[in-house]
Amino acid sequence: SAVISQKPSRDICQRGTSLTIQCQVDSQVTMMFWYRQQPGQSLTLIATANQGSEATYESGFVIDKFPISRPNLTFSTLTVSNMSPEDSSIYLCSVVPGLLSYNEQFFGPGTRLTVL
Amino acid sequence: DAKTTQPNSMESNEEEPVHLPCNHSTISGTDYIHWYRQLPSQGPEYVIHGLTSNVNNRMASLAIAEDRKSSTLILHRATLRDAAVYYCILGRFSGTYKYIFGTGTRLKVLA
Repeated sequence: SAVISQKPSRDICQRGTSLTIQCQVDSQVTMMFWYRQQPGQSLTLIATANQGSEATYESGFVIDKFPISRPNLTFSTLTVSNMSPEDSSIYLCSVVPGLLSYNEQFFGPGTRLTVL
Repeated sequence: DAKTTQPNSMESNEEEPVHLPCNHSTISGTDYIHWYRQLPSQGPEYVIHGLTSNVNNRMASLAIAEDRKSSTLILHRATLRDAAVYYCILGRFSGTYKYIFGTGTRLKVLA
């Protein structure tokens, strides 16, 4: 299993600013992901955070808007850049412990972002 | 594109079985079927997953249709703590392994 913490748990930001969200795991994991959950909606995969290389982004998400760092196997950050009210969402990281990618994903508690 | 379809909401009485349906007619041969649930203000938590055969664990059972175009999550005895949004998800290998979330079913359990 894996225990995931995220910081901050919530924030209220002004439009045009940026926020960096941290994701910390209690064990080394190969696979780490970032999701967005818009109000009242399901989760959408933003990107796969790759250790030691650039993140792999899904269609509709770009590195300039959502830069991701993955400096080691226990930590990652997601930055939401030049924010607008449409970026108000919950942002979650998840990990898959072990080598079998289709096994259980563990999700963090999420970061609730409100952009004014 | 891979997609799952679920009813928006369902209700169940406490201590009765619940059958949560999911349609995934565009599933490909190597896609796994995952179910997660999300309680308020929490991240999703794993319930069960399978590929072709029915699966059982201590939380639930997963019944997969023979053609794999639909599946059903079965909670054998619903409790008030089972009230949550249940997501049916396709897991697909595409460069890396990715989850494609459905819209979810909000389960209400009545005492």
